[in-house]
Amino acid sequence: NAGVTQTPKFQVLKTGQSMTLQCAQDMNHEYMSWYRQDPGMGLRLIHYSVGAGITDQGEVPNGYNVSRSTTEDFPLRLLSAAPSQTSVYFCASSYSGTVSGNTIYFGEGSWLTVV
Amino acid sequence: TQLLEQSPQFLSIQEGENLTVYCNSSSVFSSLQWYRQEPGEGPVLLVTVVTGGEVKKLKRLTFQFGDARKDSSLHITAAQPGDTGLYLCAGANSNSGYALNFGKGTSLLVTP
Repeated sequence: NAGVTQTPKFQVLKTGQSMTLQCAQDMNHEYMSWYRQDPGMGLRLIHYSVGAGITDQGEVPNGYNVSRSTTEDFPLRLLSAAPSQTSVYFCASSYSGTVSGNTIYFGEGSWLTVV
Repeated sequence: TQLLEQSPQFLSIQEGENLTVYCNSSSVFSSLQWYRQEPGEGPVLLVTVVTGGEVKKLKRLTFQFGDARKDSSLHITAAQPGDTGLYLCAGANSNSGYALNFGKGTSLLVTP
């Protein structure tokens, strides 16, 4: 059981470049989300999806796009990378949106550096 | 954004000692979760508390949700080096739906 798989694990970008962080889950979960983790800031929600074809913004959505064409995949696109987007990115999924009694699974993270 | 304040930010103790980590907010949460994160990995869910005053135990870890559902604590008895990691609390409420508000974490180091 692969769980939540993120690729790439590490990436260095130049300012202004675009790229896509991939996230896939094999648990048939409806809910998927992207967080970024910065030193001293905890995890902050970027975008989330409650099912295929449905996405919504989280706390820090600027500079990122998402789409959900299938239940399994939830890619995060950086449109024009900026040094402020240097961070560790985590994808997460869960069976439902109700937190109580629901386990949220996180991927192993993608380390992104923008120079 | 509903703020969750965790304390202490860093904690270094010796094996066998007891410790308590706190997670406080001025907001009410419908549920609160505790995660542990090890270097280079994603957070792993430890427990979810839902009812005010609820106490849950996971081996040597005891989790409590405040009566007013604004705060929570994690107590570790007889800490072991394997308990080393970043402990995160995260709260959710009915208005935020799926969104979790995370605290900044408590970094715990347990030395032999």
